[in-house]
Amino acid sequence: GAVVSQHPSRVICKSGTSVKIECRSLDFQATTMFWYRQFPKQSLMLMATSNEGSKATYEQGVEKDKFLINHASLTLSTLTVTSAHPEDSSFYICSASFRGMGAFFGQGTRLTVV
Amino acid sequence: AQSVTQPDIHITVSEGASLELRCNYSYGATPYLFWYVQSPGQGLQLLLKYFSGDTLVQGIKGFEAEFKRSQSSFNLRKPSVHWSDAAEYFCAVGASNTGKLIFGQGTTLQVKP
Repeated sequence: GAVVSQHPSRVICKSGTSVKIECRSLDFQATTMFWYRQFPKQSLMLMATSNEGSKATYEQGVEKDKFLINHASLTLSTLTVTSAHPEDSSFYICSASFRGMGAFFGQGTRLTVV
Repeated sequence: AQSVTQPDIHITVSEGASLELRCNYSYGATPYLFWYVQSPGQGLQLLLKYFSGDTLVQGIKGFEAEFKRSQSSFNLRKPSVHWSDAAEYFCAVGASNTGKLIFGQGTTLQVKP
């Protein structure tokens, strides 16, 4: 089946630093990748949609300069949280889609900013 | 507005009992409907999905869901719950099968021995 790997699974960073999260489709080419954010005990909120080779489309209210998304290849998308602050602490999940065959989710990344 | 509502935030059932998790949606177009399960600190696993055809869909782990257009509902059911089913369940809707989804608030399932 389609496998999406997200790395790291957990990361702790100091306030003011940047952290990069990778999302890889291991056995298929993902035409589109999605980044979601999940607060504790809450649902997933779509942050942005990225298509390979083009700029990401951000949802309303999501700061594109804070959450940099790069989708350089059909198997890799990265989310960089720049100048992280404690309020950016959250669970970030990516999903990858190909040929309209649905979304396959990564394991998620728990980001803690101290 | 497009939205998904899961009325039950938390449900507790006894092991072996039947289960029904409710999901209602508001969507302007023909919806693609999904149920996902999430274990603590983990990503999402797809249980089942509905696009068209038979309104009763079968999924993995013995789950099924029924699409009722007149009620804008897509409730998830399982005839006999196992302790390993304890998790968070999310209903989601999308315009297609491209992966862009709107999620409900989630229902936490607790299973009593």
